[in-house]
Amino acid sequence: KQEVTQIPAALSVPEGENLVLNCSFTDSAIYNLQWFRQDPGKGLTSLLLIQSSQREQTSGRLNASLDKSSGRSTLYIAASQPGDSATYLCAVMSAGGTSYGKLTFGQGTILTVHP
Amino acid sequence: DAMVIQNPRYQVTQFGKPVTLSCSQTLNHNVMYWYQQKSSQAPKLLFHYYDKDFNNEADTPDNFQSRRPNTSFCFLDIRSPGLGDAAMYLCATSRWDSQSRETQYFGPGTRLLVL
Repeated sequence: KQEVTQIPAALSVPEGENLVLNCSFTDSAIYNLQWFRQDPGKGLTSLLLIQSSQREQTSGRLNASLDKSSGRSTLYIAASQPGDSATYLCAVMSAGGTSYGKLTFGQGTILTVHP
Repeated sequence: DAMVIQNPRYQVTQFGKPVTLSCSQTLNHNVMYWYQQKSSQAPKLLFHYYDKDFNNEADTPDNFQSRRPNTSFCFLDIRSPGLGDAAMYLCATSRWDSQSRETQYFGPGTRLLVL
């Protein structure tokens, strides 16, 4: 059974800092890994998707890396801003069986960027 | 343009009174998913439809049922809501076939309150 863990559970930083969020998963048989953002009381917004054959993806100030063999991914946020404050969720799409694209989520990292 | 639509956005029901949540999609995706997300927890898959085939997660309570009358619509029925069923319910869709392994697209969610 796939399990996804995110560290840290919460992070508070001053504006302008570069930061790293960590995600680990137990089963390396995955199709892809995805990072989501969730604002309080809202749905999920997809940030970055990394296919299993890729090592990293970039979008603006965000960079996500994937090391499938070790079961790890990191989300790097450069020059953080107060508007980045949200919960960041990591999710893996497991391969094999009848998964049909099922996602297994981590518990999330609550990020607060203060001015 | 809305792609995955959930109605209503907020639902209040009474303890034990059946409630139905609705999801529709304009993406013509063949797979639809329902997730439950309780406060400060990771989204948890309840079940999904692969075309017309219903796939229930092993630990989804019998109190939760689903219907998919056509490709575009999927409903989540909670037969006798308890206080523990108060949560955000997220609908997602994806295309899954021999040629495609697409990511999931999420709706904005329905927040359910049980009084």
